[in-house]
Amino acid sequence: QQQVKQSPQSLIVQKGGISIINCAYENTAFDYFPWYQQFPGKGPALLIAIRPDVSEKKEGRFTISFNKSAKQFSLHIMDSQPGDSATYFCAASEGGTYKYIFGTGTRLKVLA
Amino acid sequence: DTAVSQTPKYLVTQMGNDKSIKCEQNLGHDTMYWYKQDSKKFLKIMFSYNNKELIINETVPNRFSPKSPDKAHLNLHINSLELGDSAVYFCASSQRTGSHGELFFGEGSRLTVL
Repeated sequence: QQQVKQSPQSLIVQKGGISIINCAYENTAFDYFPWYQQFPGKGPALLIAIRPDVSEKKEGRFTISFNKSAKQFSLHIMDSQPGDSATYFCAASEGGTYKYIFGTGTRLKVLA
Repeated sequence: DTAVSQTPKYLVTQMGNDKSIKCEQNLGHDTMYWYKQDSKKFLKIMFSYNNKELIINETVPNRFSPKSPDKAHLNLHINSLELGDSAVYFCASSQRTGSHGELFFGEGSRLTVL
């Protein structure tokens, strides 16, 4: 019940295309859903996050869509650029637990 | 000025040895973490300290012992290293304002056990 399932494992997109990464969770007590971006040789960094009281959050080319009833959320990267090539992790956290559960990661490659 | 810094960045050692990784954060955060990232990039929490108090201790072998001398530092000592300990270890910190806080990660310490 503590797992966060992430798909696909890897993704190749043409420059200018839309990248979509999906995550699903079971624990209904999760109340915070961030996405982290990790470049090779670096630590993950927060990209965007959402709480379950909204269905969508947009920051620039990055959008989280959240479906509370389906217990799913997804990251959309519009107009994907080669500089977006990285590993993306979804995560979930339950308030007060101090613990983030990470998905298994998606390696995104954007072709120039 | 690095927010979360870890040393060393690379560690290569023999099975059975003991090694330590140090972490320091200058963000003024009250919570620090150790995460392990295996060869498949899976990120798993190991420990968390809040104001020097251990608050998360996942099912990690006793050979791993964290120590937090103050809230800006969290070190990880590993005894009797095994091949399966080879991974990248990330230190992270967060400020627990409200119920959630953004995690700030260091650049990782790559441990290779031969």
